Amino acid sequence: GIQVEQSPPDLILQEGANSTLRCNFSDSVNNLQWFHQNPWGQLINLFYIPSGTKQNGRLSATTVATERYSLLYISSSQTTDSGVYFCAVLIYNQGGKLIFGQGTELSVKP
Amino acid sequence: DGGITQSPKYLFRKEGQNVTLSCEQNLNHDAMYWYRQDPGQGLRLIYYSQIVNDFQKGDIAEGYSVSREKKESFPLTVTSAQKNPTAFYLCASSRGQPVTEAFFGQGTRLTVV
Repeated sequence: GIQVEQSPPDLILQEGANSTLRCNFSDSVNNLQWFHQNPWGQLINLFYIPSGTKQNGRLSATTVATERYSLLYISSSQTTDSGVYFCAVLIYNQGGKLIFGQGTELSVKP
Repeated sequence: DGGITQSPKYLFRKEGQNVTLSCEQNLNHDAMYWYRQDPGQGLRLIYYSQIVNDFQKGDIAEGYSVSREKKESFPLTVTSAQKNPTAFYLCASSRGQPVTEAFFGQGTRLTVV
């Protein structure tokens, strides 16, 4: 099956710094989602992005489907950005199943 | 407020008992999903349903059962056959056909005591 790998596994930043999280996937996919899991466990939708670039405030994402990767950029990080970031690829012919990576745990220090 | 509601937030189960986790959505979504998350890992699909009265096994269905009698509801039963039930369980929904992005509930943390 499709493998999804995220890097780095852990990241510690000083408040105000920028970061790039990477998601590689092993085969063609229909779509891709980025999530932020907060300390209470809830998954917050960040981006739904099969290809191209999207921006939402300090966050942006780029997916290059032909090269099988996606990047999540966080600029001017804040302590509230802390948590785990997941990418997940969406498989249409399996009922819209999501295959998740292992996540990147981000800690932003004040 | 539209969304996905899971209950309870925390659940304790004795070994050998079956327990049922609730998931309700008022987004008018056709498709619903159950995922399991173990510490330090990503989510894995247990079951999914694309339409009322129909559901399919996901990657780790053994020891679980579901029903889909109403569009809004997709309860998950963790049976005594599930060998390692302690985990965080998340329910999701999406519009269905055509497939669109999925949204998640707040999760249920199940602990076997």
